[in-house]
Amino acid sequence: SQQGEEDPQALSIQEGENATMNCSYKTSINNLQWYRQNSGRGLVHLILIRSNEREKHSGRLRVTLDTSKKSSSLLITASRAADTASYFCATVHGSSNTGKLIFGQGTTLQVKP
Amino acid sequence: GAGVSQSPSNKVTEKGKDVELRCDPISGHTALYWYRQSLGQGLEFLIYFQGNSAPDKSGLPSDRFSAERTGGSVSTLTIQRTQQEDSAVYLCASSITGTALSGANVLTFGAGSRLTVL
Repeated sequence: SQQGEEDPQALSIQEGENATMNCSYKTSINNLQWYRQNSGRGLVHLILIRSNEREKHSGRLRVTLDTSKKSSSLLITASRAADTASYFCATVHGSSNTGKLIFGQGTTLQVKP
Repeated sequence: GAGVSQSPSNKVTEKGKDVELRCDPISGHTALYWYRQSLGQGLEFLIYFQGNSAPDKSGLPSDRFSAERTGGSVSTLTIQRTQQEDSAVYLCASSITGTALSGANVLTFGAGSRLTVL
């Protein structure tokens, strides 16, 4: 079964606007990761946030984690047309020492020029 | 190699035939994963190899699916007696180790193998 669920499923914004995507999960986690996928092929890792972290930044990306609500959000600031892609969160069960990542269904982001 | 390599990139087969998909992970990565992605859908976990440990096969959808990893490197995913519902992109990924500690489970994905079953 899927561990993470993204919201919204699809998002369409204008270039320059901010995009916010949310991820909810069911069980405790070790870490949560966000990935990006262009053109339905391989995924690219964006950012990892550990269970003891609350916020992390990487360039125009900001990730927050609320373990009490079992949720995370990915914010892309000043979006560009090139940010158009699908974004997935992925988690590892907190009780497991393995790295087995379970992915959510993804949010499809369209940034209009 | 520099990245995760998958072959073939595209495979069209007839229903009932067997197919083999190959994954060559990044050299030195001990963990290897297979996922399946149907059109417009998320990633479905299939199987996970970590070093010499027994693989986690909990995601394989039926006994028609099997995978092996030889010498801790190259992996082959085999689908026997393919069905139309097997049509999807099969994604392979590898990571430095298989543990979530220290964030060592960041995955590098291959470009995928698109399987079409007619």
